[in-house]
Amino acid sequence: GQQVMQIPQYQHVQEGEDFTTYCNSSTTLSNIQWYKQRPGGHPVFLIQLVKSGEVKKQKRLTFQFGEAKKNSSLHITATQTTDVGTYFCAGQNTPLVFGKGTRLSVIA
Amino acid sequence: EAQVTQNPRYLITVTGKKLTVTCSQNMNHEYMSWYRQDPGLGLRQIYYSMNVEVTDKGDVPEGYKVSRKEKRNFPLILESPSPNQTSLYFCATGTRLSPYEQYFGPGTRLTVT
Repeated sequence: GQQVMQIPQYQHVQEGEDFTTYCNSSTTLSNIQWYKQRPGGHPVFLIQLVKSGEVKKQKRLTFQFGEAKKNSSLHITATQTTDVGTYFCAGQNTPLVFGKGTRLSVIA
Repeated sequence: EAQVTQNPRYLITVTGKKLTVTCSQNMNHEYMSWYRQDPGLGLRQIYYSMNVEVTDKGDVPEGYKVSRKEKRNFPLILESPSPNQTSLYFCATGTRLSPYEQYFGPGTRLTVT
């Protein structure tokens, strides 16, 4: 079945450093979504990417969808303590498959 | 206020005792889905529904049932819970045009002893 691999599993950064998480699918995706889950909270939708090679920005967050629509990345510039949480990608095929997430810790 | 509600939020039960976790949304969303979240395994889809009276299996449907008799409600039924169904459960909703832009409920932590 479809698999969505996400790396790294954990990332510890100093506040102000950059952070990137990568998502790779075993199959071509129709689209991909990114979610953030704060500790003890529920996943919150961040963005959806649909087009090959698409790049979208949300303030300090940059999302990319690969040309082959099999990989994606989320980059955070100059992390802040409010960025702490687990970031998930979700690949849209049927059924929807989530990556296992990257847990980000930010040291002030 | 747009929201997805789940009840109960916490439940401890015993093996074999039937239970229902309710999910309700006030956003008039067509798409609803149930996930379980387990350490090391991430979020896995149990069942989803594209609209009233339409349900489909996700990745891990065994041991679960769902129904979608009304647009706003999507209950998750465990007919005979077992300890391996101990997990954190999330309900999520989305629109027909953008079903994977999902709004998640607060979660239900279930323990089966």
